[in-house]
Amino acid sequence: DAGITQSPRHKVTETGTPVTLRCHQTENHRYMYWYRQDPGHGLRLIHYSYGVKDTDKGEVSDGYSVSRSKTEDFLLTLESATSSQTSVYFCAISSGTDSYEQYFGPGTRLTVT
Amino acid sequence: AQSVAQPEDQVNVAEGNPLTVKCTYSVSGNPYLFWYVQYPNRGLQFLLKYITGDNLVKGSYGFEAEFNKSQTSFHLKKPSALVSDSALYFCAVRDGAAGNKLTFGGGTRVLVKP
Repeated sequence: DAGITQSPRHKVTETGTPVTLRCHQTENHRYMYWYRQDPGHGLRLIHYSYGVKDTDKGEVSDGYSVSRSKTEDFLLTLESATSSQTSVYFCAISSGTDSYEQYFGPGTRLTVT
Repeated sequence: AQSVAQPEDQVNVAEGNPLTVKCTYSVSGNPYLFWYVQYPNRGLQFLLKYITGDNLVKGSYGFEAEFNKSQTSFHLKKPSALVSDSALYFCAVRDGAAGNKLTFGGGTRVLVKP
């Protein structure tokens, strides 16, 4: 999984609680992404970052916020978790130059009860 | 806006037979196309990409893909499937706008039977 770690790998939380997922890379790539994967929906982009402190929304950003204070770390926060946010969350990275492919972390399985 | 379609939810193939996973795309400008594979409880793994050049692209694990501009297709192929190729496969196209984003197809599950 190409120098990308996600923590925690599994989490169960209650509706209404805040949750933060962490993505850490050792590749010094410029771009970082958060996706969610749900049956029947494939992969959907939540937020992405194109540099330290530079972030933008993806197609399913409502209810999520992100922060990137260092090149290597990209945090995804659910301010008040809802059952609809039960999903598998993947972080990805890309250098964005010459080779445009993204490399994915192992994922975090989040269950909101 | 760009889009990717994978018309088959599942493909079943016998071990040793050729495997094809279909993908069609819609994009303005030159397409940058990708294939990924996902094994159970794992993240997506990059298989191959088409940026420019030869229409037949070779990638990891013996996979290749054929770019066809007139049919706007980028089908994934393997001449002889293995049981270990059973997985979920995703086609993706790069968004030419800012962010180096990818748009993914819905995925195709491949089941290779012994």
